[in-house]
Amino acid sequence: GNSVTQMEGPVTLSEEAFLTINCTYTATGYPSLFWYVQYPGEGLQLLLKATKADDKGSNKGFEATYRKETTSFHLEKGSVQVSDSAVYFCALSDETSYDKVIFGPGTSLSVIP
Amino acid sequence: EAGVTQSPTHLIKTRGQQATLRCSPISGHTSVYWYQQALGLGLQFLLWYDEGEERNRGNFPPRFSGRQFPNYSSELNVNALELEDSALYLCASSLAYSNQPQHFGDGTRLSIL
Repeated sequence: GNSVTQMEGPVTLSEEAFLTINCTYTATGYPSLFWYVQYPGEGLQLLLKATKADDKGSNKGFEATYRKETTSFHLEKGSVQVSDSAVYFCALSDETSYDKVIFGPGTSLSVIP
Repeated sequence: EAGVTQSPTHLIKTRGQQATLRCSPISGHTSVYWYQQALGLGLQFLLWYDEGEERNRGNFPPRFSGRQFPNYSSELNVNALELEDSALYLCASSLAYSNQPQHFGDGTRLSIL
């Protein structure tokens, strides 16, 4: 079945450091891929998405490229800020399942000044 | 555009009671999803409704139930509350087509005393 694997957290970085959160997936069809962010006390917000291979999603300085050959969708940001402290979820939606979105377990990020 | 709204924000109940949580989707969205997020854990899929019908259900006991109304709003009912039901309950909505991202509300924090 479909699944999403993320690097385990928590991840702690200093302000202005480079961020990578790894995400790999297993899917039977041609999934769309998403990154969601959850700030403390809030629901999830869609951060970015990519719908086909080699697409790059980007938003608020975050980027992720849909790599079909490595079944990956790693999240990157060149210079993190304290305000980026949150939990990040990788997710996929597969047209063959027409079903719920499959979420990864989430990666907690803390950025310290 | 108004986002997904959930009510109440917080709900305190005792063991054995019943809880009702409500969700209004984004205008034009016909699919509504419910998730449970226990402290320190990821998202656990509960229920998916579309066009008034239950389309899929996660691995939860029958005391978790819900419905979707003609205006696409939804209720989640939890009967015979247990201590382990304490969690953040998130509602999400999406367009009915496959591979669409879900948009989340800020959740209802359910506390069982």
